[in-house]
Amino acid sequence: AQKITQTQPGMFVQEKEAVTLDCTYDTSDPSYGLFWYKQPSSGEMIFLIYQGSYDQQNATEGRYSLNFQKARKSANLVISASQLGDSAMYFCAMREANYGGSQGNLIFGKGTKLSVKP
Amino acid sequence: DTGVSQDPRHKITKRGQNVTFRCDPISEHNRLYWYRQTLGQGPEFLTYFQNEAQLEKSRLLSDRFSAERPKGSFSTLEIQRTEQGDSAMYLCASSLGGQSLGGTDTQYFGPGTRLTVL
Repeated sequence: AQKITQTQPGMFVQEKEAVTLDCTYDTSDPSYGLFWYKQPSSGEMIFLIYQGSYDQQNATEGRYSLNFQKARKSANLVISASQLGDSAMYFCAMREANYGGSQGNLIFGKGTKLSVKP
Repeated sequence: DTGVSQDPRHKITKRGQNVTFRCDPISEHNRLYWYRQTLGQGPEFLTYFQNEAQLEKSRLLSDRFSAERPKGSFSTLEIQRTEQGDSAMYLCASSLGGQSLGGTDTQYFGPGTRLTVL
């Protein structure tokens, strides 16, 4: 079963508008972390935001916020006031604390390509 | 603040040749990860080091792949007898460690090495 599902292969947003990128996850581990990374065409994965499974509040980092709905197992990324430089691939990832003895490697979704229109 | 660096950035080789990639993590980070990313996919975990000890290897890491981190600093990933299916982006990441696996322990990625096997 897929651990991380990103159902939007591509998204378009108008500059200065907000956009939500969807992510659902599957785990039976009570302790886990959720991450979002941005990958521009250059290839480097850039860390954006983190949400822990026990965090009571949604994470925010500047223009990025994470809409964490634990019961629905969803961790959507919201980008406010989109900029042209936000055009990139966006990956949702999860790390489980106790899965199969894993030492904490990240499990990634297939990504969403965001295009910001001027 | 120096980030994760990888060398070379691009490698073109003929099938059957051996290749070696290098990763220099962020200096105070004691955890180092290797991932592989093929076109249209998210990164997939290959192997993980805590200091110089290789603690976990993915099933993706066939016998032709070997990774080392001899002094707990830089790491090398060698692929012997390359095959066309090895063509991918190879990403290295490092993290501080010392926290619970469910905790943030954010992984920071390098720019990657893009391998093309002809």
